[in-house]
Amino acid sequence: EVQLVESGGGLVQPGGSLRLSCAASAFTFSSYSMNWVRQAPGKGLEWVSHISSGSSTIYYADSVKGRFTISRDNAKNSLSLQMNSLRAEDTAVYYCGRFYNYYIDVWGKGTTVTVSS
Amino acid sequence: EIVLTQSPGTLSLSPGERATLSCRASQSVGSSHLAWYQQKPGQAPRLLIYGASSRATGIPDRFSGSGSGTDFTLTISRLEPEDFAVYYCQQYGSSPPLTFGGGTKVEIK
Repeated sequence: EVQLVESGGGLVQPGGSLRLSCAASAFTFSSYSMNWVRQAPGKGLEWVSHISSGSSTIYYADSVKGRFTISRDNAKNSLSLQMNSLRAEDTAVYYCGRFYNYYIDVWGKGTTVTVSS
Repeated sequence: EIVLTQSPGTLSLSPGERATLSCRASQSVGSSHLAWYQQKPGQAPRLLIYGASSRATGIPDRFSGSGSGTDFTLTISRLEPEDFAVYYCQQYGSSPPLTFGGGTKVEIK
């Protein structure tokens, strides 16, 4: 079964850092672009970042640009999101998603990040 | 940046009724670039429709998508109890590559 499993979420103080991971299985990870999408409590979906299959193309939402860094290790079937200078407004469930053509066809269950003192 | 506006914000209907959800884009969107997702409480989103009108694998045929340009519609022909959820449209563009609408909640009347 094609699967994405996020980890690394938790409680962090404002200004702190956190690194999220997404483990992929049962598909050829290196062939797909990947995305991070987040959802603040009670809010809608917000795209965060995109990385192409070979890491040559990377995009960030303006809200996280300069603070977050997306990366991947195709040998380990793993996607990461390094989050620095965290703010209260970064509190959300973070989903990793497999990008196929023009949409996300596989989603992980998400990992919760809470930024609070 | 293309902005997607979904309406209504909440749709109150009974099982068996027809649901019509709207997604309007601030600029023209390629039909192949429009998708719909369903999200239930505590769950990740699930892909329903891609390319504006193609059902994803395993999606029942009571779900259908239509539209082009700036106006897209998701229709649920006869609501089943498991269809009460929040629905999001999403478009693919150049920068940013993905944007989502604000969502429509379909609730039991």
